Amino acid sequence: GNSVTQMEGPVTLSEEAFLTINCTYTATGYPSLFWYVQYPGEGLQLLLKATKADDKGSNKGFEATYRKETTSFHLEKGSVQVSDSAVYFCALRRDSSASKIIFGSGTRLSIRP
Amino acid sequence: ETGVTQSPTHLIKTRGQQVTLRCSSQSGHNTVSWYQQALGQGPQFIFQYYREEENGRGNFPPRFSGLQFPNYSSELNVNALELDDSALYLCASSFSASGGTDTQYFGPGTRLTVL
Repeated sequence: GNSVTQMEGPVTLSEEAFLTINCTYTATGYPSLFWYVQYPGEGLQLLLKATKADDKGSNKGFEATYRKETTSFHLEKGSVQVSDSAVYFCALRRDSSASKIIFGSGTRLSIRP
Repeated sequence: ETGVTQSPTHLIKTRGQQVTLRCSSQSGHNTVSWYQQALGQGPQFIFQYYREEENGRGNFPPRFSGLQFPNYSSELNVNALELDDSALYLCASSFSASGGTDTQYFGPGTRLTVL
């Protein structure tokens, strides 16, 4: 079946460090891929998405590239800030007709000043 | 433009009781999806409503049911509550021309505790 696996946290980094959160997926066909972020006490927010192979999603300095050959969608940021502390979820939607989004278990990121 | 809102924010129930959670979708959206997020886990899809009908369901028992109203707001009902139903319940709205799922926008959630 379709699934998402992301690196377990928590991840703790110093401000201005480089961030990578790994995400791999299992799916048939050509799913759409997403990164959502959940700040403390808030709901989920869409951070970025990519809908086909080799697409790069980007937002707020974060980037992720849809790699079909490695079935991956790793999240990266060149210089993290304290305000980036949150839980990050990788997710997929099987295809445009699918009603559900399948989420990974989340990675908690803490940035120290 | 008003975002997705949910009520109540928090709720405490006892085993065997019934609960109704409410969601108002974002302006211009016609599709509502519900998710259950257990502590420390990712959200799990419960079901989606499109044009007032269920349009896809996850692996949840029939005691989880829902409604969508003509104004596209929605309710999630859970009967015969169990301890494992304790979770954050998230509502997400989106626009779709023909079912399926466009970008989903999430509400802040309702925290349900079952004692």
